[in-house]
Amino acid sequence: EPEVTQTPSHQVTQMGQEVILRCVPISNHLYFYWYRQILGQKVEFLVSFYNNEISEKSEIFDDQFSVERPDGSNFTLKIRSTKLEDSAMYFCASKGRGQENQPQHFGDGTRLSIL
Amino acid sequence: DQQVKQNSPSLSVQEGRISILNCDYTNSMFDYFLWYKKYPAEGPTFLISISSIKDKNEDGRFTVFLNKSAKHLSLHIVPSQPGDSAVYFCAAIVSARQLTFGSGTQLTVLP
Repeated sequence: EPEVTQTPSHQVTQMGQEVILRCVPISNHLYFYWYRQILGQKVEFLVSFYNNEISEKSEIFDDQFSVERPDGSNFTLKIRSTKLEDSAMYFCASKGRGQENQPQHFGDGTRLSIL
Repeated sequence: DQQVKQNSPSLSVQEGRISILNCDYTNSMFDYFLWYKKYPAEGPTFLISISSIKDKNEDGRFTVFLNKSAKHLSLHIVPSQPGDSAVYFCAAIVSARQLTFGSGTQLTVLP
């Protein structure tokens, strides 16, 4: 069964450094998402991406965050200057084309630890 | 933001019995509801969903019930198996947009 893959599985970064989290969505999917889960808290929506542009973003997704689809397969989340509170599990998800009520499929996440 | 609530952080059930996981929501605009299962060190895995125009959806051992007037949905697992032990998240969507998750319920199925 096709999967969403995320790399790295664990990223440790010094506060203030830039970090890029990578995702390869399911190949025929066109809707892409990033979520995060801070330890002990709910999974929270960050951003959705469709047709090479952001379609929606949450309050969390401020100017320090950006997303990109640099080629036909990768979908990246960049945090420009990391803060301690950015430590969390970051999940990428994707959804099939042209279908409204279809489930989003998730990768196994990247654990981001900011020191 | 408490639009989707799972009030039971944990549930233990004997193998072979029924597991019932509950979820309440406050946003009447939600039109699609999903259950995800999550094992440690893995991402959420889609389990079953239901549209707001239905009140029941069944897939093998899993059945989701939706009570719109009560803004309540539940997931029934029958019979429960030890491999079902995981965290179960309820999630909801408005107009095919982003998922709003509950806080999760840890299900433990005892052999």
